[in-house]
Amino acid sequence: DAGVTQSPTHLIKTRGQQVTLRCSPKSGHDTVSWYQQALGQGPQFIFQYYEEEERQRGNFPDRFSGHQFPNYSSELNVNALLLGDSALYLCASRGDFNTGELFFGEGSRLTVL
Amino acid sequence: AQSVSQHNHHVILSEAASLELGCNYSYGGTVNLFWYVQYPGQHLQLLLKYFSGDPLVKGIKGFEAEFIKSKFSFNLRKPSVQWSDTAEYFCAVSRSGGYQKVTFGTGTKLQVIP
Repeated sequence: DAGVTQSPTHLIKTRGQQVTLRCSPKSGHDTVSWYQQALGQGPQFIFQYYEEEERQRGNFPDRFSGHQFPNYSSELNVNALLLGDSALYLCASRGDFNTGELFFGEGSRLTVL
Repeated sequence: AQSVSQHNHHVILSEAASLELGCNYSYGGTVNLFWYVQYPGQHLQLLLKYFSGDPLVKGIKGFEAEFIKSKFSFNLRKPSVQWSDTAEYFCAVSRSGGYQKVTFGTGTKLQVIP
């Protein structure tokens, strides 16, 4: 049973560029959340997707956008990259309405130069 | 909006010492509470959770946490730590009901010295 998989694991971009990160949820899970984890900080909620729609959003600018596909996989897009966007981006999935337990991937480490 | 405070940023203990990590949240309604752990080189994983019922919850590897509603706290405890407990621990909260977002604290790094 595959867990949450994310790609790429590491990437380097320059300021102003755009990046797309990908996530496949754990088998049987239909909800995907994205988090940003800066060095020394806890994960910060970006947004959550369910039934291909953004259901909740954290305090992130519109440069951060996402998408969920019919197979429940998801993408996180960040436009006009800033140095401050350098962080570990985590994808988490859950499939149980009641437990709320999140299953995390290994993350995508983004460095913006 | 809900928030979580973890007051201990870095804790160093010797093996067999007792552990208590503080966690306070701010939200007046019904909440679900979690502790997640991140071992070196691994992804975040659930340690334990509280939804309702007995406020003392037990998790994996001998960890437990107590929900004290009047203090808005959900402290993590372990009577005797092991070197393998070296990790970063995150407290998290979500509102009850539906696919609510989960808000994390800043984390506590625990270092256990053999």
